[in-house]
Amino acid sequence: DAKTTQPPSMDCAEGRAANLPCNHSTISGNEYVYWYRQIHSQGPQYIIHGLKNNETNEMASLIITEDRKSSTLILPHATLRDTAVYYCIVRVGNPGSARQLTFGSGTQLTVLP
Amino acid sequence: DAGVIQSPRHEVTEMGQEVTLRCKPISGHNSLFWYRQTMMRGLELLIYFNNNVPIDDSGMPEDRFSAKMPNASFSTLKIQPSEPRDSAVYFCASSLGSIYFGEGSWLTVV
Repeated sequence: DAKTTQPPSMDCAEGRAANLPCNHSTISGNEYVYWYRQIHSQGPQYIIHGLKNNETNEMASLIITEDRKSSTLILPHATLRDTAVYYCIVRVGNPGSARQLTFGSGTQLTVLP
Repeated sequence: DAGVIQSPRHEVTEMGQEVTLRCKPISGHNSLFWYRQTMMRGLELLIYFNNNVPIDDSGMPEDRFSAKMPNASFSTLKIQPSEPRDSAVYFCASSLGSIYFGEGSWLTVV
């Protein structure tokens, strides 16, 4: 699975959009981009995933560049409860395939009041 | 759905004792994963099962660790004998598509 690079930490004002970048320049054509987050003392929580197209769900939006070498997770209106470590993971296979996730160091997002 | 259920949530044990962590995956999920998280090493995959069969156990630290999945609704991770360096949070996760994690078992070996 391709390696990802994320900034170690970011701050965001409450109510503003949080844009979390991820670099995955060695991504292959059959690798998906997944985002998880881990709130302190809890298990990682699935947020969103995508292959090529931009994706949106009730939690966030995922923007993948045309060359697929980077992506951005957008939390449109960050709240204090969004303070967490956010992990960008690249994995071969669609969500239905039985393959594990390899976690990096992630980005510690702190939402400030 | 109740989500992935792990027990115990917290355990403190003495070095040398046997530790058994338990996991009930989400009903209908066919893959189960055991991860360990420490400050030093982050989240590491220990082992995963597909349809109750172990697929990849290359992350299991050593022979002191063993995992079983006797049926689709139950898995155990056993450490025998336990050592202080095994202190960590152990997460179980299950999947039919996206992977969902339990709340973790916080293990302290003194």
